[in-house]
Amino acid sequence: GQSLEQPSEVTAVEGAIVQINCTYQTSGFYGLSWYQQHDGGAPTFLSYNALDGLEETGRFSSFLSRSDSYGYLLLQELQMKDSASYFCAVEGPTGANNLFFGTGTRLTVIP
Amino acid sequence: DGGITQSPKYLFRKEGQNVTLSCEQNLNHDAMYWYRQDPGQGLRLIYYSQIVNDFQKGDIAEGYSVSREKKESFPLTVTSAQKNPTAFYLCASSPRDRGTDTQYFGPGTRLTVL
Repeated sequence: GQSLEQPSEVTAVEGAIVQINCTYQTSGFYGLSWYQQHDGGAPTFLSYNALDGLEETGRFSSFLSRSDSYGYLLLQELQMKDSASYFCAVEGPTGANNLFFGTGTRLTVIP
Repeated sequence: DGGITQSPKYLFRKEGQNVTLSCEQNLNHDAMYWYRQDPGQGLRLIYYSQIVNDFQKGDIAEGYSVSREKKESFPLTVTSAQKNPTAFYLCASSPRDRGTDTQYFGPGTRLTVL
């Protein structure tokens, strides 16, 4: 089976940097994805790592270490609108491109 | 504009009634998915379909049924056999090509069973 662990809550100050960690256990690993979800809204795709290393997309970066079964999402220059839940996800074992999601990290950005 | 639509946004039903949630996409994606989300929880996969006329059970398929008669449409029926149907239901689609794992989500339907 699969399991993903991420902190349930994180609080950070506007303008600061925050890191959200994710450790995973899965058979047949293909990559680690990150999604953002505002309250009551739909998840939106942020990033995907298939290989070790850092992927940067504007203020957001994502890191993967396959040997450690670990990844993180890094948010820089935090803005109030970044307050949301962040989910890491891995692909299911059937290879059908369906995703298994973690329980999410709720980020609160304070002034 | 391309995207995924789900209707209705809010749905109320009496216990024991079947209810069908709509999901339509005009992104020309092959794969479609249904997830359930409970308060403070992640998304759990109910059913998925990689191609028309084919679908597979996800992690929590009991009490649900789907059909995929058209590429654009993937309706979900919540049956009376589902013991705790009140939840937020999200539909998603993807182009099915490997390498990005990007799924595009609809706005969701919040189902409340009274």
